[in-house]
Amino acid sequence: DAKTTQPNSMESNEEEPVHLPCNHSTISGTDYIHWYRQLPSQGPEYVIHGLTSNVNNRMASLAIAEDRKSSTLILHRATLRDAAVYYCALSGTYKYIFGTGTRLKVLA
Amino acid sequence: EAQVTQNPRYLITVTGKKLTVTCSQNMNHEYMSWYRQDPGLGLRQIYYSMNVEVTDKGDVPEGYKVSRKEKRNFPLILESPSPNQTSLYFCASSSNRVPANYGYTFGSGTRLTVV
Repeated sequence: DAKTTQPNSMESNEEEPVHLPCNHSTISGTDYIHWYRQLPSQGPEYVIHGLTSNVNNRMASLAIAEDRKSSTLILHRATLRDAAVYYCALSGTYKYIFGTGTRLKVLA
Repeated sequence: EAQVTQNPRYLITVTGKKLTVTCSQNMNHEYMSWYRQDPGLGLRQIYYSMNVEVTDKGDVPEGYKVSRKEKRNFPLILESPSPNQTSLYFCASSSNRVPANYGYTFGSGTRLTVV
């Protein structure tokens, strides 16, 4: 199964953009790239997903490298409420494989 | 409100005493799955179900059983729990039986301690 690698932690200043990286060098051609975030004492929450093209929604943007071996979740203006653990995941037909997550700290 | 409901939220049990963690979703979702979350290991998939009476193993199925007799329910059964199954468990569902292009809705989690 393909695997994802993320930095353990990152920091950002409030109201600045945040770029959260994920490496998935063994991704297969049919795997989708998903991002979730987990607030303290809650279950993970869906953020965004894509296959090959960059994606935007109201929460974030997803930039996917041309070779698909890496992706970046972009939060355009970090707020204190964005402090969470962000997980990158790959989904094949039936299985979802999550990374170990990046803990994002947002500084006021 | 659309949601995935897990019960109980917290459970402390003794080694070898059979237990069931229930999971129910009210969104008519086809696909359901169980994960365990451990520090430093992220979320690991235990079992998943693509439809009623159809289940399959994830990456860490040893020591667990599941059943899918109704579309809305997907209980996780530990026949003989051991301390290494102490973990935070999440149930999740997806609207399509092939979830690759769909997002998950997660429950709030069950924190299990086996002593």
